[in-house]
Amino acid sequence: QKEVEQNSGPLSVPEGAIASLNCTYSDRVSQSFFWYRQYSGKSPELIMSIYSNGDKEDGRFTAQLNKASQYVSLLIRDSQPSDSATYLCAVNPTGGFKTIFGAGTRLFVKA
Amino acid sequence: GAVVSQHPSWVICKSGTSVKIECRSLDFQATTMFWYRQFPKQSLMLMATSNEGSKATYEQGVEKDKFLINHASLTLSTLTVTSAHPEDSSFYICSAFRGGDEQFFGPGTRLTVL
Repeated sequence: QKEVEQNSGPLSVPEGAIASLNCTYSDRVSQSFFWYRQYSGKSPELIMSIYSNGDKEDGRFTAQLNKASQYVSLLIRDSQPSDSATYLCAVNPTGGFKTIFGAGTRLFVKA
Repeated sequence: GAVVSQHPSWVICKSGTSVKIECRSLDFQATTMFWYRQFPKQSLMLMATSNEGSKATYEQGVEKDKFLINHASLTLSTLTVTSAHPEDSSFYICSAFRGGDEQFFGPGTRLTVL
């Protein structure tokens, strides 16, 4: 079983819609959770971090964490074509320094 | 702004030569840095953890004699790909923690071996 699992996609949504990206993780004691955005040919860019159960909002982005279900998601409201990228879910299992990355979900936002 | 830089951003070399890639933390000290490799349309693969003042820790399957890592200062880690071959052509990315546990990536180095 992979430690961090994401649907590879592609996920295609129309411009203006809500994009929902999902991630599950296997280590129940994980403490820190991150979402990165990676444009084609570029390196990953941190967009959200979340540490507590519930929702965390930052602009058009909302991260949701449910530790009981070992599930973390990212919602992108009012999706724009510029949001088209691969989104990587990452988990830091014990607060240490080795972050585990998922394989990423490709998102396409159609104009 | 950027917190981690890499140099060069791209490099083309002949098969059999060695290539050095630098990773610098900007305005912060990084006792630990990470080196990743990413092939086209594939996920990030952690190659090694670079530790300041000590030997790097390599992931399973990564040849430590081929991918030499030196972390001689708190702001600089280098990755040297020795005797590069076409199959080493890839996107090499370093990262570091700045303060807490959020990992920041450098812009990456695209290596092409002819």
